[in-house]
Amino acid sequence: KAGVTQTPRYLIKTRGQQVTLSCSPISGHRSVSWYQQTPGQGLQFLFEYFSETQRNKGNFPGRFSGRQFSNSRSEMNVSTLELGDSALYLCASSFSGTGGARGYTFGSGTRLTVV
Amino acid sequence: GESVGLHLPTLSVQEGDNSIINCAYSNSASDYFIWYKQESGKGPQFIIDIRSNMDKRQGQRVTVLLNKTVKHLSLQIAATQPGDSAVYFCAENPGNTPLVFGKGTRLSVIA
Repeated sequence: KAGVTQTPRYLIKTRGQQVTLSCSPISGHRSVSWYQQTPGQGLQFLFEYFSETQRNKGNFPGRFSGRQFSNSRSEMNVSTLELGDSALYLCASSFSGTGGARGYTFGSGTRLTVV
Repeated sequence: GESVGLHLPTLSVQEGDNSIINCAYSNSASDYFIWYKQESGKGPQFIIDIRSNMDKRQGQRVTVLLNKTVKHLSLQIAATQPGDSAVYFCAENPGNTPLVFGKGTRLSVIA
């Protein structure tokens, strides 16, 4: 079966712009979680969506938002980009969420560079 | 490829030797633990998991050990191969909340 698909793979934006990243989970998976990965902080949890509802949220400013559609596809948006937002953004899908039962299946990520 | 972590602890091992990667977790309420492997340009991939009612679990060439007394996990890789070179993360599941990941260890296999 197809894995988790994240688009685009690479993105370059300038400070102040906004960006939208997309994630298509594994078919049948209802939970999508987003993580930010940076060299200094490792994997930091952003938010989790389950059946179109945000179920958990990490400690990130309100500039970071997301949503999930009825087909379980998810998008995350970052507004008013800052240099510090440069990171690898990873999406992970699971059947039930919260990392249970073999955890998540991750996509390859979107590398965002803010200049 | 992606630069996953410029400041990660690094473990260098000779090809064919065994590798041991350690991880300290933080939440004594965590009841489920997972090891992930992340290769350059890819997202983390599941390796092996263990529940808190177990001390040890074995997979193909990998073994995870759990010591709940000192909140410590280890991943042992037998007969390490060049393809094992990657960054390894442990993750804990503190109940009905998202996975919490450790900082990661870079494994470098010397051929």
